[in-house]
This record gives sequence, C-alpha cells and structure tokens, in this order.
Amino acid sequence: AQSVTQLDSQVPVFEEAPVELRCNYSSSVSVYLFWYVQYPNQGLQLLLKYLSGSTLVKGINGFEAEFNKSQTSFHLRKPSVHISDTAEYFCAVRGLSGSARQLTFGSGTQLTVLP
Amino acid sequence: EAGVAQSPRYKIIEKRQSVAFWCNPISGHATLYWYQQILGQGPKLLIQFQNNGVVDDSQLPKDRFSAERLKGVDSTLKIQPAKLEDSAVYLCASSSSGAADTQYFGPGTRLTVL
Repeated sequence: AQSVTQLDSQVPVFEEAPVELRCNYSSSVSVYLFWYVQYPNQGLQLLLKYLSGSTLVKGINGFEAEFNKSQTSFHLRKPSVHISDTAEYFCAVRGLSGSARQLTFGSGTQLTVLP
Repeated sequence: EAGVAQSPRYKIIEKRQSVAFWCNPISGHATLYWYQQILGQGPKLLIQFQNNGVVDDSQLPKDRFSAERLKGVDSTLKIQPAKLEDSAVYLCASSSSGAADTQYFGPGTRLTVL
C-alpha cells in the first residue's frame, strides 16, 4: 500500500512572499509523483510531475518541486505568490507496479494568498 | 482540444433514491477513471477502465455503485440506493494510457444526499 501525507491543511501567505507546501509519501515500490491544483468548483489541473531524472521539476505558473528520495518528500515551492494562486493543492503518488499503480492523493493543502 | 465533460454539475437527492452521472473523456483517451472526493479529502479512485474493460474496481462499493463504459468512450456511474455518506464530488478523469501519463480531470458532479 502507498500513502501521501500533506503536513499542512491550510497555508496563509501574503502576496509576493515565497511559499512551500510540504508532501511526504510512503511506498514499497518506485513511484511517480504529482502535484495538482484545484480551483473552487473546478476539477484538478496538473501543476507538475516527477517521473525520473533531475530531482528538481519545474511546472506551470512558476511552481517547482524537488524530489528527495532519502526523505521520501516532494515539496512544492514558489518564490513569489499571487492572489490568483489561492486554491487547494494536492500531492499524489503512483506506483510503477501492481496494486500501487493507482493514483493516491493526499488530503490537500488550502493555500490562501492575502493582499 | 476539448476537455473531460461531466453532467450534471450538481445533484440533490434524498437517501435511498438512485442517481446517475455521465462522463465523456478527451477524444482518443483509452483510460477513464471515476473518483470520489469527500469534502476536506483528496480524491479516491472508485473504478478505472481501459477501453471498455475494468482494470481496477477494488474500492467501488459494489452493493450500491455500478459503472459502465460501453463502446470504450463515455461512461456512466450509478448509485442505487444512495446513502447520506455518498455526498461528495464525483470526478471523472481520462488519460492516454500508462502510469506516467497525465490524468485530465473534468469539473465534477457535486452530489448532496439529504
């Protein structure tokens, strides 16, 4: 079985400040890692994904994430946030084999950008 | 490119009634997923189709939930009879194929069971 823990359920931050949303995972097999964003009353949209190679992954809207295998973490960062970044962010993991191949989501982090 | 379409967007029913949701995936996507997202939680996979065959339905409550994907294109998810705890957003997603492929999500159907 695999699981995802998003350590912060809510993160308030002022506009133009940096932000980090934390994600830790556990899995018995190798994994792919994803960050999705969900705006109110909308479906999920992919921000970025880690499949292999460089551990620093750049995504849309200026977000990036770093895969740390030893710490089983995949934290999401943005150096300067905008009001429009206010949304729910979900970290997800997908194993490469067997029953772990289904996409497993964390419980989400609500990012609120304050003026 | 058109996205994943879902209908209805909102549905309110009383417990013990039945309800059905419809999903039309992105054209050419072989894999279709149904997720349940309860308020305050991340989405949970209910069922995965590859073309018109079921790949994974291990978390589908089969005593009340059913899903089909006839002709390998659009899909219907049904709940009969509904319970209060079924109140959630039901998300449909599709992908080309393979674990590395991005899943594209529809806007979801918000179900309220009274």
